[in-house]
Amino acid sequence: EVQLVESGGGLVMPGGSLRLSCAPSGFTFSSYSMNWVRQAPGKGLEWVSFINKVGDFIKYVDSVMGRFTVSRDNAKNSLYLQMDSLRAEDTAVYYCVRAIATASVYHYMDVWGSGTTVTVSS
Amino acid sequence: EVVMTQSPATLSVSPGERATLSCRASQSIGTKLAWFQRRPGQAPRLLIYNASARATGIPAGFSGSGSGTEFTLTISDLQSEDFAVYYCQQYNDWPLTFGRGTMVEI
Repeated sequence: EVQLVESGGGLVMPGGSLRLSCAPSGFTFSSYSMNWVRQAPGKGLEWVSFINKVGDFIKYVDSVMGRFTVSRDNAKNSLYLQMDSLRAEDTAVYYCVRAIATASVYHYMDVWGSGTTVTVSS
Repeated sequence: EVVMTQSPATLSVSPGERATLSCRASQSIGTKLAWFQRRPGQAPRLLIYNASARATGIPAGFSGSGSGTEFTLTISDLQSEDFAVYYCQQYNDWPLTFGRGTMVEI
């Protein structure tokens, strides 16, 4: 069974840092691009970041550019999201989501993890 | 960025009826559109990709159509487990963007 399990969430003060991890299972992690998506309380889904299979093509939503860093370690079967300079508006449930290539550079999302909660508050 | 607008925000239907959900993109996205179902307390589930292709394991009662800027998700013969929030999402351009969702309720 394909699964994604996020970890690393918690309570952090504004300006602080957190590192989220995602542990995949049931598929060959190195063959897939990945995304991070978040949902703030009472809000809709917001895509945060994309990383391709080998980690040399990365994209971010503007609101986290320069503060968040996505990375992966295919040897360790892990996806990461380093979040620095955290703000109250970064409070959300963060999901690790697998990406499926449909045509060259286009990827749709298929399998989602259950999420990890990040709360930024003093 | 491509703004995705879903309508209606809430759709009230009865079990066994058909539900039609709309999604509009602020610019053409071809058929690079996915639909997700979100049941309370669960992670989103992929229903449709490439605007009309059903994901693995999704019942035939779910169908997607459209291209360019106008898209539709149709749920035929609504079952109790289909009452949920439905999101559309475009993957034609960065940043990837979602609609705000349509809640399908009894």
